[in-house]
Amino acid sequence: KQEVTQIPAALSVPEGENLVLNCSFTDSAIYNLQWFRQDPGKGLTSLLLIQSSQREQTSGRLNASLDKSSGRSTLYIAASQPGDSATYLCAVGGSGTYKYIFGTGTRLKVLA
Amino acid sequence: EAGVVQSPRYKIIEKKQPVAFWCNPISGHNTLYWYLQNLGQGPELLIRYENEEAVDDSQLPKDRFSAERLKGVDSTLKIQPAELGDSAVYLCASSFSGSGTDTQYFGPGTRLTVL
Repeated sequence: KQEVTQIPAALSVPEGENLVLNCSFTDSAIYNLQWFRQDPGKGLTSLLLIQSSQREQTSGRLNASLDKSSGRSTLYIAASQPGDSATYLCAVGGSGTYKYIFGTGTRLKVLA
Repeated sequence: EAGVVQSPRYKIIEKKQPVAFWCNPISGHNTLYWYLQNLGQGPELLIRYENEEAVDDSQLPKDRFSAERLKGVDSTLKIQPAELGDSAVYLCASSFSGSGTDTQYFGPGTRLTVL
């Protein structure tokens, strides 16, 4: 059974800092992995999707990497801003299914 | 382009009462998902539809939960009777499974409080 863990559970950083959020999963037979952002009281917004054959994806200040063999993904946020404050969730798509297993998220606060 | 629409946004009911949530997916998306999100947790899949067919409902507590997706567009999730432990956010998402990317687009959710 796939299990997804995100560390740290919460993170507080000053504005401008580069930061890394971690996601680990137990079963390396994955289809893809997505990083989502969730603002308080809102739904989830997809940030980056990495297919199992890819190593990384980039969008603006965000870069996500995937290492299937070690069961890890990282989300790198460059030059953080207060508007980046949110909960970041990673979700692992099972091979051959459309089922996503979510981590519990990292709650990020960027201080002005 | 309109996103996934859910209503109501908030619902407060007493235990043992019935409740229903409605979802309208993004136009053209044939796959629809209902998720349950407890406070401080990630979403957990309840049911997935491909058009009108429920292709994965293994996590749906069928003794009190039911769902339908008539005509393969809108969907309704019902709880009857509601229990205290059902208090959570119910998220609907949709995707176009033929896109090859499987990106799921989420609605804002319905926050249910059972008293």
